[in-house]
Amino acid sequence: DSGVTQTPKHLITATGQRVTLRCSPRSGDLSVYWYQQSLDQGLQFLIQYYNGEERAKGNILERFSAQQFPDLHSELNLSSLELGDSALYFCASSVEGIGLAGLRDNEQFFGPGTRLTVL
Amino acid sequence: SQKIEQNSEALNIQEGKTATLTCNYTNYSPAYLQWYRQDPGRGPVFLLLIRENEKEKRKERLKVTFDTTLKQSLFHITASQPADSATYLCALVLSGGYNKLIFGAGTRLAVHP
Repeated sequence: DSGVTQTPKHLITATGQRVTLRCSPRSGDLSVYWYQQSLDQGLQFLIQYYNGEERAKGNILERFSAQQFPDLHSELNLSSLELGDSALYFCASSVEGIGLAGLRDNEQFFGPGTRLTVL
Repeated sequence: SQKIEQNSEALNIQEGKTATLTCNYTNYSPAYLQWYRQDPGRGPVFLLLIRENEKEKRKERLKVTFDTTLKQSLFHITASQPADSATYLCALVLSGGYNKLIFGAGTRLAVHP
C-alpha cells in the first residue's frame, strides 16, 4: 500500500459526459501528479500540482482540468468524454516537486488508479 | 524526435538466471532516471533511482547502470524468481526543477520455474 488513495476504482460512463476523479496523497506529500495509461500510449504525464499550485503540464487535453485543494487532495475533471479517453488514470505523490538549488530527485508513490470506461 | 525505448517484446527467463532490461532514449538530457515495477491493473512501484553522474546503483538483487554517452540504462535482476514477473518501466526526469516523469512503454518480464 503506497498511502495514496484514489476514488472511484472503476467508472463507466457515456460519451459526452463529465466525471471527476479524486486523489488523496500520502500524508506530508505536497506534490500530486496525474498520469493516464492506455494500452496504445503507455503511461503519460498529465499535470502536476505543488501545494495547491499548478507546476507542470504534460499531454493534458483542454477538456481535462485539475486542481489541488488546501487539504492537498486533488481532483481531475474530464469533460465531453470520448471513447478514446477510456484508460487507467493514476495519481502519484511525492514529498517535493520543486527544484531549488537543484532537482528534488524524489520517488513518486502511485495510487491504485481509477479505470475509466467510456461507452 | 524524442523517444524512450524499452524492449517491446516480453522477456522470458528461467528462475535463478539474471534478467537484463534495456532503456534507450533519444534527444533527451535526463538529470536522472528511475525504474518502476508495475503489476497488472496496479500502480507503478518505485525500485531504483540513478543520477546522471552515477554509473551504477545496487539494491539487494537489483542493479541499474546509466551510460549518458550511449543514452542507455540497463536494469538487472539477479537470481530471478517467479515473483519478479511484472512489467518494468524506466522513467526519465529532465532538468528544469520539476519532478515530472517521462515513462517508457515498459518491458514485461516472465520468470519461469
